Amino acid sequence: AQKVTQAQTEISVVEKEDVTLDCVYETRDTTYYLFWYKQPPSGELVFLIRRNSFDEQNEISGRYSWNFQKSTRSFNFTITASQVVDSAVYFCALTRDDKIIFGKGTRLHILP
Amino acid sequence: DTGVSQDPRHKITKRGQNVTFRCDPISEHNRLYWYRQTLGQGPEFLTYFQNEAQLEKSRLLSDRFSAERPKGSFSTLEIQRTEQGDSAMYLCASRWSGRTDNEQFFGPGTRLTVL
Repeated sequence: AQKVTQAQTEISVVEKEDVTLDCVYETRDTTYYLFWYKQPPSGELVFLIRRNSFDEQNEISGRYSWNFQKSTRSFNFTITASQVVDSAVYFCALTRDDKIIFGKGTRLHILP
Repeated sequence: DTGVSQDPRHKITKRGQNVTFRCDPISEHNRLYWYRQTLGQGPEFLTYFQNEAQLEKSRLLSDRFSAERPKGSFSTLEIQRTEQGDSAMYLCASRWSGRTDNEQFFGPGTRLTVL
């Protein structure tokens, strides 16, 4: 069965600290895509990154970085030097057929 | 570049009333998806269309829910005889099926509150 687990329900860190959001997934597919989305209080889903199952290269985009480990079925997200504007709910997600399966999300609080 | 739009953004209704939401996808996108997000959860798939054809419905979509995409452009999601458990954010997304990466572009959502 396809499933995404985000074990951290809520995290609070002080501004400028680094924080890692964990994501573990299950799938029987050999080809799949993984995503991270940000959902600020306004409710809109903001796309952050897409990674396909054949590309295990880590990616860095500014203060954001992603670590994809196919062997452990993990796709973790790190924010470096966190800022108050990073406060939001973050969702890890997996494609299944033509649908997206979301985790339950991690609520991140960045304290000033 | 116009993104996915949804109307209304917020809806408050009384239990038992019918409500209808509209989604306008990105114009060249032939696939349109509906998701529901309840408090503290991630979005869950409800149904999707390719052009005007409804290709799949989740078991979450009870008989009180109906979705249409009559001309293959905008879509409507109707909930009949609303219940308090229907209170949620209803998200619409679209994509072009020619892309293999499954990236879906999400609208801002319609937040439904059933009193």
